[in-house]
Amino acid sequence: AQSVTQPDIHITVSEGASLELRCNYSYGATPYLFWYVQSPGQGLQLLLKYFSGDTLVQGIKGFEAEFKRSQSSFNLRKPSVHWSDAAEYFCVGGGGGGNKLTFGTGTQLKVEL
Amino acid sequence: GAGVSQTPSNKVTEKGKYVELRCDPISGHTALYWYRQSLGQGPEFLIYFQGTGAADDSGLPNDRFFAVRPEGSVSTLKIQRTERGDSAVYLCASSPAAGTDTQYFGPGTRLTVL
Repeated sequence: AQSVTQPDIHITVSEGASLELRCNYSYGATPYLFWYVQSPGQGLQLLLKYFSGDTLVQGIKGFEAEFKRSQSSFNLRKPSVHWSDAAEYFCVGGGGGGNKLTFGTGTQLKVEL
Repeated sequence: GAGVSQTPSNKVTEKGKYVELRCDPISGHTALYWYRQSLGQGPEFLIYFQGTGAADDSGLPNDRFFAVRPEGSVSTLKIQRTERGDSAVYLCASSPAAGTDTQYFGPGTRLTVL
């Protein structure tokens, strides 16, 4: 079965520090992979997506992610975190044309000022 | 342009009652998706429409759940004989077409079954 795993439930970083959120996937073929962010009272917003091609993907708000087939990973990174980045982050997989998205359990990011 | 809208934003009902949740997708989007997000969990797929037809309803938990999209635009998720375990946020998303297009999510409807 297709699955996406986010091993970290909560992460706390200081403002200005770098960030890496981990994601591992289990798919039969190369999946479509996404990172979405969900802020309190806000809908899910797409940060970035990977379908094929360049394995380093740039997204909005200064985020990037790298697809590593050998490690079955798609980790999200940001060089310098801002207080407004505090939110819940979901790694998401889509297969078979991406019709059905499979969400990880999410990582709650807290930013200390 | 307007995003995906969902009504109501909150719904409180009693166990055993019938509820309808509405989703207005982005104009022109042919694909529409329903997900359910329980507390502390990621959203889980329920059903997906391409046009008026349900292309994949494999995520509907049981036959108390049903969804329609009669004119290929607005969709309604219907839950019969609600149970306390149905309490969750129900999310709707739309995309220009099925496949690799990005899914744009609405704010969700928070359903509470007492």
